[in-house]
Amino acid sequence: GENVEQHPSTLSVQEGDSAVIKCTYSDSASNYFPWYKQELGKGPQLIIDIRSNVGEKKDQRIAVTLNKTAKHFSLHITETQPEDSAVYFCAAPANQAGTALIFGKGTTLSVSS
Amino acid sequence: DTAVSQTPKYLVTQMGNDKSIKCEQNLGHDTMYWYKQDSKKFLKIMFSYNNKELIINETVPNRFSPKSPDKAHLNLHINSLELGDSAVYFCASSPGGNTEAFFGQGTRLTVV
Repeated sequence: GENVEQHPSTLSVQEGDSAVIKCTYSDSASNYFPWYKQELGKGPQLIIDIRSNVGEKKDQRIAVTLNKTAKHFSLHITETQPEDSAVYFCAAPANQAGTALIFGKGTTLSVSS
Repeated sequence: DTAVSQTPKYLVTQMGNDKSIKCEQNLGHDTMYWYKQDSKKFLKIMFSYNNKELIINETVPNRFSPKSPDKAHLNLHINSLELGDSAVYFCASSPGGNTEAFFGQGTRLTVV
């Protein structure tokens, strides 16, 4: 089955800096890679996703890149703000039908002002 | 309107008890899930249902039994609770495979 590794486990940045979180996956057939943000006391919420026919996707200050050959994908947050502080999870499909997600172990991002 | 709602939000119970967590989604989605988040924040799939049919059942003790009375509901019943069952349990739903999953706010289960 799919295995997802995520690094780093914690990341501290100053407000305005960029933050990068990296994930690798094991199943070369995987074709959908979402990123979720979890704020304290809440459920995870999708912030951006990318499919395997695209190498990069941007949404304002957030971008995701995908390298299918190397089987890794990354989340980039620019101009970080204190409200970006949260736990971020990458994920990949558990199977080809995508009937569940396998999550990375999470990255706790702290943005200090 | 809350898209995916779980009840209760907190549940404290003694070892050996039986408890249930309820989940309802009003998004019209076909697929619903239960995930477990441990104390280290690790999120792990437990069950996945599509149109009331069980499609994924990960290595979960058979003390855990999901029930889907209709497409909008997926409840989780746990028998003979153990200390190691303490965690946050999240219900989620999605339109289908490889699409956005919408999570509930979680149920924090504490077994004492």
